[in-house]
Amino acid sequence: RKEVEQDPGPFNVPEGATVAFNCTYSNSASQSFFWYRQDCRKEPKLLMSVYSSGNEDGRFTAQLNRASQYISLLIRDSKLSDSATYLCVPEDQFYFGTGTSLTVIP
Amino acid sequence: NAGVMQNPRHLVRRRGQEARLRCSPMKGHSHVYWYRQLPEEGLKFMVYLQKENIIDESGMPKERFSAEFPKEGPSILRIQQVVRGDSAAYFCASSPPDREAEAFFGQGTRLTVV
Repeated sequence: RKEVEQDPGPFNVPEGATVAFNCTYSNSASQSFFWYRQDCRKEPKLLMSVYSSGNEDGRFTAQLNRASQYISLLIRDSKLSDSATYLCVPEDQFYFGTGTSLTVIP
Repeated sequence: NAGVMQNPRHLVRRRGQEARLRCSPMKGHSHVYWYRQLPEEGLKFMVYLQKENIIDESGMPKERFSAEFPKEGPSILRIQQVVRGDSAAYFCASSPPDREAEAFFGQGTRLTVV
């Protein structure tokens, strides 16, 4: 079963660009979500949480759109080190989507 | 407070042998999740355990795979009679009781079946 769906990408963007990707979810009762990032051959690491009011942390902004049942992650001023796969998951689930692959190009 | 500890980091087994993967959750975490990741693929949920209970094993293959999380000691993922297709990275994550998806991952065990 697919609790979340993400565009797998890859998203290839130049350094300094702004990039955004979405994650759609199926359970309308989900109240909050988490974004994780996974570097190649490493474990996923929690990036940020998303509640109804959204969340901003430096260059990263996450928002929740309940009407359309998706969450978004916006990365401003992309750095080379942002290259990773970004995964979303509802707070009451533990099934990850395939993630979205981002590559920031010099 | 040590993070989620998985061992071994790398495990090589011949076809037909058994593989045992261990996961010690973070202190205070009573929920453990196992995931498998094949090369170039996403994380696939396998099983969700609490102490002495299997909560959801819908992602576990029907045969050869089992998992436990005893009252004392680490969680164990056991693969019997391994085959080449079992070669993958196996990640364990743990979470506190009240925030199931705010999970912290171990560094994984990379199983290679030769």
